[in-house]
Amino acid sequence: NAGVTQTPKFRILKIGQSMTLQCTQDMNHNYMYWYRQDPGMGLKLIYYSVGAGITDKGEVPNGYNVSRSTTEDFPLRLELAAPSQTSVYFCASSYGARSGNTIYFGEGSWLTVV
Amino acid sequence: GENVEQHPSTLSVQEGDSAVIKCTYSDSASNYFPWYKQELGKRPQLIIDIRSNVGEKKDQRIAVTLNKTAKHFSLHITETQPEDSAVYFCAARGSNFGNEKLTFGTGTRLTIIP
Repeated sequence: NAGVTQTPKFRILKIGQSMTLQCTQDMNHNYMYWYRQDPGMGLKLIYYSVGAGITDKGEVPNGYNVSRSTTEDFPLRLELAAPSQTSVYFCASSYGARSGNTIYFGEGSWLTVV
Repeated sequence: GENVEQHPSTLSVQEGDSAVIKCTYSDSASNYFPWYKQELGKRPQLIIDIRSNVGEKKDQRIAVTLNKTAKHFSLHITETQPEDSAVYFCAARGSNFGNEKLTFGTGTRLTIIP
């Protein structure tokens, strides 16, 4: 199993550009998450999904969109990038809360908006 | 929503001594409490977790205690070693539909002094 795979690992965006961070997992997890981590700070939840076709907002959803068309994939879309979106983005996944709680993280995507 | 507070934000201990990191949570419905270790530039890695039906769990030099009544839980690292230097995050999560989100504390930067 590859676990949780994120791409790209590094990206520089200009203000106003858009991009999609890709996330895929091969563990058949139904829960998937996107977190952002600003330098020296903790992890803040952007969006999460409890299964294909279902998504919900986390703490800091503004400026982002997600979709979950399959169990494996959970892309994060940044529209009109702003310097405040400079951060490290982590995708994560887990089984349903009742059947197992361990959350596995991808390696992270470093995004700089200039 | 859940709110997790973590203390201290930085902690320095002599090699071989013990380290204790404490967290409090606000949502009494939370029932899963993992601890993650994050080394510089890496993803968070689960080091130990505890469920609400257990008061204490130990894994070699690492232990976690949970006080549900007081809504706090702690990480204990004994016989600290240089490789324990990292940022540690506590988190809390529920299992009911609508509170499956994992909410993180703000992190503790642990430095082991040789």
